[in-house]
Amino acid sequence: DTGVSQNPRHKITKRGQNVTFRCDPISEHNRLYWYRQTLGQGPEFLTYFQNEAQLEKSRLLSDRFSAERPKGSFSTLEIQRTEQGDSAMYLCASSLLSRTMFFGSGTQLSVL
Amino acid sequence: AQRVTQPEKLLSVFKGAPVELKCNYSYSGSPELFWYVQYSRQRLQLLLRHISRESIKGFTADLNKGETSFHLKKPFAQEEDSAMYYCALSGQNNNAGNMLTFGGGTRLMVKP
Repeated sequence: DTGVSQNPRHKITKRGQNVTFRCDPISEHNRLYWYRQTLGQGPEFLTYFQNEAQLEKSRLLSDRFSAERPKGSFSTLEIQRTEQGDSAMYLCASSLLSRTMFFGSGTQLSVL
Repeated sequence: AQRVTQPEKLLSVFKGAPVELKCNYSYSGSPELFWYVQYSRQRLQLLLRHISRESIKGFTADLNKGETSFHLKKPFAQEEDSAMYYCALSGQNNNAGNMLTFGGGTRLMVKP
């Protein structure tokens, strides 16, 4: 499968714990996006990388959230001190410049 | 600010009936509009984009700037069209690449 890959598929954690998700974009894609989707809603933009540079962050992204894309390849999204409100599907997408955006299958986070 | 509204959470039609999924947007500039689809247990994927002016799987969508709408239409629905449909907007004047703003989605159910 040469599409966008996300790991893990599911993550269950206790409130207050830290979690980290990984996204491997399509290899030649220089743009990478993180979105969050809650039940019954469309995906909401969190942050955007062009190569290794994080160029935009939504105000939805509190200081407990941090994202990295070292060397402009894979990306990680870390949530510190998780809260029940963080429970959601976290989607990663990539594109080559402004061409079609391809989405991964997502990581479903459940905070107990 | 950019916003996308899909007024119907659920649309149920019989096979062979016409389908129209509504999408309205607000954006001060010249947006690019998309329809994304998510079939059961599959990832979000692009269905069509307004600049392509193409028909995909029998679906078409016309951008109406006067009414700020981008409704998705198909003359004869098929059972395999049952899925979640998301309208999305990309603004041209932002620092977030081709970041998408999504509507809340409409679930289309095509009954036999």
